[in-house]
Amino acid sequence: GAVVSQHPSWVICKSGTSVKIECRSLDFQATTMFWYRQFPKQSLMLMATSNEGSKATYEQGVEKDKFLINHASLTLSTLTVTSAHPEDSSFYICSARISGGTETQYFGPGTRLLVL
Amino acid sequence: LAKTTQPISMDSYEGQEVNITCSHNNIATNDYITWYQQFPSQGPRFIIQGYKTKVTNEVASLFIPADRKSSTLSLPRVSLSDTAVYYCLVDGRQGGKLIFGQGTELSVKP
Repeated sequence: GAVVSQHPSWVICKSGTSVKIECRSLDFQATTMFWYRQFPKQSLMLMATSNEGSKATYEQGVEKDKFLINHASLTLSTLTVTSAHPEDSSFYICSARISGGTETQYFGPGTRLLVL
Repeated sequence: LAKTTQPISMDSYEGQEVNITCSHNNIATNDYITWYQQFPSQGPRFIIQGYKTKVTNEVASLFIPADRKSSTLSLPRVSLSDTAVYYCLVDGRQGGKLIFGQGTELSVKP
């Protein structure tokens, strides 16, 4: 299957700082990527849809000014958690959908964020 | 978006066949059915996808009845390493948002 990577795999930061997470499709192009958040023992929650060359579409209840998404190329989307607070600590997962193909979504390995 | 319903948990023993059924009564004509596997602290891994009847790959089989209102993931001869959460999702070909339900936590015992 297609490969999606995320960087970093884990990050610890102080409250008030910003953290950037990268999501890359390694062997295919993705016009659309998705960002999810997962708390312990819970399912994945869709945060936003990232479209190459245009603004992201956020799910209800997700603050667009706090979770900045940039999808500057067909293989890279970034999620920046601005002014992070302890309640933002979570597991962040991206997925990418193959453009023009089966449109199956492939997921990255996730990024564990801990805000102190 | 179609909502899916799965059992919260299932137990099995090594070597057994495991069948996990998912209900999706409001599935749309253009929706595909996709199953993912997730281990703790990892992203979901694609297992299998189908539209109707039966699909088989090297990992699993997917059975979809004619009305498509449910689907069954079949894992042959499970091992301890198959202990994971399994998610059933329905996915339109256009737009493509995946909304995850609670998933089924499968526990395989020796």
